[in-house]
Amino acid sequence: EIVLTQSPGTLSLSPGERATLSCRASQNISGSYLAWYQQKPGQAPRLLIYGASSRATGIPDRFSGSGSGTDFTLTISRLEPEDFAVYYCQQYGSSRWTFGHGTKVEIK
Amino acid sequence: EVQLVESGGGLVQPGGSLRLSCGASGFTFSTYSMKWVRQAPGKGLEWVSHISSSSSSIYYADSVKGRFTISRDNAENSLHLQMNSLRDEDTAVYYCAREGIGRTLDYWGQGTLVIVSS
Repeated sequence: EIVLTQSPGTLSLSPGERATLSCRASQNISGSYLAWYQQKPGQAPRLLIYGASSRATGIPDRFSGSGSGTDFTLTISRLEPEDFAVYYCQQYGSSRWTFGHGTKVEIK
Repeated sequence: EVQLVESGGGLVQPGGSLRLSCGASGFTFSTYSMKWVRQAPGKGLEWVSHISSSSSSIYYADSVKGRFTISRDNAENSLHLQMNSLRDEDTAVYYCAREGIGRTLDYWGQGTLVIVSS
């Protein structure tokens, strides 16, 4: 089973700053099946990025994804107040869907 | 507008059973694969089960295999999860989600809380 390790666990930043979140897979995965989600307290997750680098419908262009193989990154270019949340990466392979444990982006 | 609405959660004793449902609207339900994902209190997301559009492909996480059964009724635009032999560790918010491009989960319901406790 592929394990996704997200780092850091918590990222403390100020509005306007750049956020860089990492997702590392325990083995090579297809970038086609790497996604990122945002979850705010009391809400369901929201799809941000699919195929490692494509923004989902309605997602602002300050969100970008990159990476391949085992290393993937979600970048938020300039944090807006509404971006403080938990972010999860997710992959599909061998009829299994797995999530990372999440990175919390909190206000510094 | 895509809408997914879960129901059926509640308090159940260990060893008991519960049936969750998810009503879908705003899209052609019969053409999409669907999933259940759960989130224990204060924890991360865990994929539970997948069912293809025609129910021809069904998969389960190892943690629920043999205890949970996913099904769907395309005529009623509904998704179900029959949960048997429930354990304390099954306590979670259960979300239904639609499969989108790249095997993602592009739309989610608001979730239904299942508490397994004596």
